[in-house]
Amino acid sequence: EAGVTQSPTHLIKTRGQQATLRCSPISGHTSVYWYQQALGLGLQFLLWYDEGEERNRGNFPPRFSGRQFPNYSSELNVNALELEDSALYLCASRPRQGSYEQYFGPGTRLTVT
Amino acid sequence: SQKIEQNSEALNIQEGKTATLTCNYTNYSPAYLQWYRQDPGRGPVFLLLIRENEKEKRKERLKVTFDTTLKQSLFHITASQPADSATYLCALPGYSSASKIIFGSGTRLSIRP
Repeated sequence: EAGVTQSPTHLIKTRGQQATLRCSPISGHTSVYWYQQALGLGLQFLLWYDEGEERNRGNFPPRFSGRQFPNYSSELNVNALELEDSALYLCASRPRQGSYEQYFGPGTRLTVT
Repeated sequence: SQKIEQNSEALNIQEGKTATLTCNYTNYSPAYLQWYRQDPGRGPVFLLLIRENEKEKRKERLKVTFDTTLKQSLFHITASQPADSATYLCALPGYSSASKIIFGSGTRLSIRP
């Protein structure tokens, strides 16, 4: 069974630009979560999508947004990039019913210069 | 708001000894608690979930306890090995939604040969 995949692996942008990060969940998983992990810090919850709808978002400004497609893959968009957006962005998936454990992808390392 | 605290200092253990990591939480009573392992630059990997009505859970060399009175979970690795060196994250469901996960900042564990 293929795990959660994310692309790209690395992304370098300059301040003010927009970044788009992609995530494909495990087959059969309908929930997708996005987290930000700045260097040396813990995972900060960003967004949760389930069945194509945004179910919850963390304490991040509106320039962090995303969507979930009919095939349950997801996209995270970060507009007007700031230097402090540099971080590892992790995507996780979970089946809609059943257990609560999350399965994480390898992450996208975003660097804003 | 809910708060999760893990050992902020790194833990250094001699190979073969038992490593014990602590997770304390405040301000609410979660229905379950999870532990994840994270290696540098990679996504967390789910290890164990323990529910509020369970006192203890085991998986191979891992053991987790959950004391809802003390609002504390202990994570033990017995017969520790250098390969166990990683950051271990405690995670609880969000106060407003059991499907939203809040992670602690993690404890870095080093097992020396």
